[in-house]
Amino acid sequence: GQQVMQIPQYQHVQEGEDFTTYCNSSTTLSNIQWYKQRPGGHPVFLIQLVKSGEVKKQKRLTFQFGEAKKNSSLHITATQTTDVGTYFCATQSGGSNYKLTFGKGTLLTVNP
Amino acid sequence: SQTIHQWPATLVQPVGSPLSLECTVEGTSNPNLYWYRQAAGRGLQLLFYSVGIGQISSEVPQNLSASRPQDRQFILSSKKLLLSDSGFYLCAWRGQGIFYEQYFGPGTRLTVT
Repeated sequence: GQQVMQIPQYQHVQEGEDFTTYCNSSTTLSNIQWYKQRPGGHPVFLIQLVKSGEVKKQKRLTFQFGEAKKNSSLHITATQTTDVGTYFCATQSGGSNYKLTFGKGTLLTVNP
Repeated sequence: SQTIHQWPATLVQPVGSPLSLECTVEGTSNPNLYWYRQAAGRGLQLLFYSVGIGQISSEVPQNLSASRPQDRQFILSSKKLLLSDSGFYLCAWRGQGIFYEQYFGPGTRLTVT
């Protein structure tokens, strides 16, 4: 099945600095979903990208899908302590099962 | 609105003991349901999924099993727990919006001693 690799595994930033996590695949992806998991919590859906070169923004978060649909990125501008958590990318398989394959996630910590 | 429940929230079980984790969804019918395990607070491993009552697909061979006795009930079981079964177990259902995103329950933190 499809696999997605996420880098970096960990990222520690000072509050106010920017943060980016990358999601890469060796095969073309039909879509990418991004989830955020706060410490001790459960993953929460953020967004889905499906079009080549697609860019979506949610306040300080910018999501991109590569032109070749083999990579994606999540960029946070001016991090805040509320951004702390693990960010996962996931790709959805076709068919009626709608299974998700998750990357291993990037753990973001923010120093106030 | 839809909600998903899991219980118990935390569980400490000895090696060799049985396990039963329950997940129920409210506010939707015939949902796709999923069981994940997250070890050491990191990656999510899909264990089982179900597209309907009595329909279970296993992703990873192991000593766990799943059942779906009712439309909105999904159960994860084991006859004999192993130390390696420790982890954070998450149930999820597939949303019915345009993205078919998954919504996760609060999870059960299992420690096998």
